[in-house]
Amino acid sequence: QSALTQPPSASGSPGQSVTISCTGTSSDVGGYKYVSWYQQHPGKAPKFIIYEVNKRPSGVPDRFSGSKSGNTASLTVSGLQAEDEAYYYCSSYAGSDTYVFGTGTKVTVL
Amino acid sequence: QVQLVQSGAEMKKPGASVKVSCAASGYTFRSYPIHWVRQAPGQRLEWLGWINTGRGNTKYSQKFQGRITISRDTSATTAYMELSSLRSEDTAVYYCARFTNTLESLDHWGQGTQVTVSS
Repeated sequence: QSALTQPPSASGSPGQSVTISCTGTSSDVGGYKYVSWYQQHPGKAPKFIIYEVNKRPSGVPDRFSGSKSGNTASLTVSGLQAEDEAYYYCSSYAGSDTYVFGTGTKVTVL
Repeated sequence: QVQLVQSGAEMKKPGASVKVSCAASGYTFRSYPIHWVRQAPGQRLEWLGWINTGRGNTKYSQKFQGRITISRDTSATTAYMELSSLRSEDTAVYYCARFTNTLESLDHWGQGTQVTVSS
């Protein structure tokens, strides 16, 4: 079960948008609607911000949005704010009751 | 409120085993699976496995099959993760997390437990 592939880094100025990709296979991302995204600040536990590809849990700003096309899911952060600077990880159901995380992307707010 | 409180940091020698606990409160323990995830220093999140806290059945990542055991004590509303035959590459922060079926996501996380493997 290989990790999902994410770009190591992404950046944008305050107010701009940044999009992070998460590429898997037809056995994980492409095969199911169960893609989640997690935000992790240094030294802290992850926090989930997107579930089922594009749904936001209560309390998560609508600046965060998700989508999927084929084997690639994406997270877009619009209207970047300083507190959005963090690591972001995607996760997907991978069949047979197993799950897999992405390689992680560090988002820097310039 | 939902809380997952993990046991303290551990220092182990290569070849030893470690058992990390995750005490849950603020919700019905048996209704939500518990997953375990680890993060080596400066590395990505890695999924280890999960337990159905109601029935007790488990599923592990193939990578750790044979070395990992996840269990639970429903009376204590606590889940456990035991990893054996430790090597230096197992040095990491280990997290437990509650899985919510309706969201298919890990919606609450423990604070993490540092496990260091060194001779």
